[in-house]
Amino acid sequence: EVQLVESGGGLVQPGGSLRLSCAASGFTFSTYSMNWVRQAPGEGLEWVSYITSSSGTIYYADSVKGRFTISRDNAKNSLFLQMNSLRDEDTALYYCARGRGVAGGGFYFDYWGQGALVTVSS
Amino acid sequence: ETVLTQSPGTLSLSPGERATLSCRASQSVAGGYLAWYQQKPGQAPRLLFYTTSSRATGIPDRFSGSGSGTDFTLTISGLEPEDFAVYFCQQYGSSPWTFGQGTKVEIK
Repeated sequence: EVQLVESGGGLVQPGGSLRLSCAASGFTFSTYSMNWVRQAPGEGLEWVSYITSSSGTIYYADSVKGRFTISRDNAKNSLFLQMNSLRDEDTALYYCARGRGVAGGGFYFDYWGQGALVTVSS
Repeated sequence: ETVLTQSPGTLSLSPGERATLSCRASQSVAGGYLAWYQQKPGQAPRLLFYTTSSRATGIPDRFSGSGSGTDFTLTISGLEPEDFAVYFCQQYGSSPWTFGQGTKVEIK
């Protein structure tokens, strides 16, 4: 059974930093691209960042570019999101999601974790 | 950026009724690369369809996906109690991959 478990969320002041982790199990982590998707309270979904299986290609949404860094450790079946210079508008539930790619296109997300809540507030 | 607009915002229906949810894109979705997700309160999204009409594992056949170009539809042929939820569409034909704002299907 595929499982994705996020951790590391919490309350942080504007301008602060936080590091999210996602522990994966039930599939060969090293062969899949992974993503972070967030959902602000009562709002819709926003794709945040993507990393290929080998970490060779990384993308970010414009809203987080230059502030967030995605990484992974295939030996430990783990995905990370380092978030710096946090803003009020970064407050959201952050989901780790497995990506499934298509030729000539991007990715949809076939498995999701339960999310880690990040609250940015003074 | 491709903007996805879902309608209606809320759909009030009774169990057994047919639900028709719309997702309209601001530009043609390349390859028909559109997915649908279901989200229940306090739960993570669940993949229903990818590439417009390919059903994900374990999704009942009362759910169907259709459409092309800029207009896509999710249909639930006869609502079961467990189908009352929020539904999101997502396009992955062009970067950045974007989501619609969601349609809530509620019990009438």
